[in-house]
Amino acid sequence: SYVLTQPPSVSVAPGYTARITCGGNNIGSKSVHWYQQKPGQAPLLVIYYDSVRPSGIPERFSGSNSGNTATLTISRVEAGDEADYYCQVWDSSSDSWVFGGGTKLTVL
Amino acid sequence: EVQLVESGGGLVQPGGSLRLSCAASGFTFSSYSMNWVRQAPGKGLEWVSYISSTTNIIYHADSVKGRFAISRDNAKNSLYLQVNGLRAEDTAVYYCARENSDYGLDVWGQGTTVTVSS
Repeated sequence: SYVLTQPPSVSVAPGYTARITCGGNNIGSKSVHWYQQKPGQAPLLVIYYDSVRPSGIPERFSGSNSGNTATLTISRVEAGDEADYYCQVWDSSSDSWVFGGGTKLTVL
Repeated sequence: EVQLVESGGGLVQPGGSLRLSCAASGFTFSSYSMNWVRQAPGKGLEWVSYISSTTNIIYHADSVKGRFAISRDNAKNSLYLQVNGLRAEDTAVYYCARENSDYGLDVWGQGTTVTVSS
């Protein structure tokens, strides 16, 4: 089955840029979605279709996808961005949604 | 307001069964595919099941195939997950989530907790 690999943790100082990667075999050929999950809350879709922000998501959140890596970029990081972030794709070979293992973003 | 509200979780013994429900409101439920996603304590998200808007397509994760069954009642704006043969590793918060075409899971409920323990 398809595997998505994320770094367990990323740390960044406020005001700087955080980049969270999601690796998968030829992931550039798939649509990647990103979710933010804060403690005790349900996940929130922050990027869909590789790079599109849903209504209400700040412009500081952006995404890209090419080759074997998709990236979620958070510019001008704020304390409120501290959360777990998950990437997701649809694996048509197994007819299943696949999530990455998640990345904990710590704002220093 | 677009909303999903899960219910039906609880403490159950190994081998037991539960029926999880998800009540939808604020949107045309019958137009959307739906999913169940779970999260074990301290772990990441794990997709469980998918059902198309008209119920003609159903998928389950290998880890629950043969034990869990997803269904829906569009007349009642409700999604269900029948969970049988529960194991300790099924202990998790179970979320229902709306699937918006190719746009991912754009609406999530608050989750219902299933604990499998003797």
